[in-house]
Amino acid sequence: GQSLEQPSEVTAVEGAIVQINCTYQTSGFYGLSWYQQHDGGAPTFLSYNALDGLEETGRFSSFLSRSDSYGYLLLQELQMKDSASYFCAVNNAGNMLTFGGGTRLMVKP
Amino acid sequence: KAGVTQTPRYLIKTRGQQVTLSCSPISGHRSVSWYQQTPGQGLQFLFEYFSETQRNKGNFPGRFSGRQFSNSRSEMNVSTLELGDSALYLCASSLDQGENIQYFGAGTRLSVL
Repeated sequence: GQSLEQPSEVTAVEGAIVQINCTYQTSGFYGLSWYQQHDGGAPTFLSYNALDGLEETGRFSSFLSRSDSYGYLLLQELQMKDSASYFCAVNNAGNMLTFGGGTRLMVKP
Repeated sequence: KAGVTQTPRYLIKTRGQQVTLSCSPISGHRSVSWYQQTPGQGLQFLFEYFSETQRNKGNFPGRFSGRQFSNSRSEMNVSTLELGDSALYLCASSLDQGENIQYFGAGTRLSVL
C-alpha cells in the first residue's frame, strides 16, 4: 500500500519560519508535490520535487530525499494569510496524486 | 484564462439516488482527475481521464464511474448513494500526461441524507 505521514497541526507566529515534514511509503514514485488549501477553497499547487535537493519559490521552499523517502515544506516570513492546510502528495503514474492527511497551519499575530 | 469549473457547487441527495457531477477543465488541458475529500479519509484519488480514456482508477467501488468527452469535459457519476458518499468532490486538470502540476476546481459539496 501507499501512505504519507505529516503532522496534523502546526502553530507559529507571524514572521517566523515553519517546516512541515512528510514521510512516504509508495510505489511508482515520480516526485513529491505540495498543495495549499484554505478553508472552503480548492487545493492550489505550491511546489514539486522530482530529484533530491531544495526547490525555492519565493517564501516557500521544498526539499526531497528519495533515499530517505522524506520531504519537507519550509515557509519563511510567515503571514496571517498562510494559515491553511498543507498537503504533501506523491505523484504516481499518469497524473495520479496520493495525498497525505494534511497539516493545518495556524499563524498567530 | 478561466480556471477549472465544477457544477453544481452544492448538491443534496437522499440514499439510493444517483448523482452526476460535471467538470470543465482549463482550456487546452486534456487530463482530468477526480478526488474525494472527507474529514475522515482526506483527499483520495478516484480516477483520471486523458483523451476520453480512463488511465488510472483509485480504490472505490463500481458505483463510482466517470467519463470524458471529446472537448475534455468530464463527468462523474455515483449510483445508489450511501450516507458515506457525503464529501467534497474535486476535479483537477492538467495540460498533458505526466504533468507535475494539477489545477483544482472549487469542488462540488455533496450531502447524502
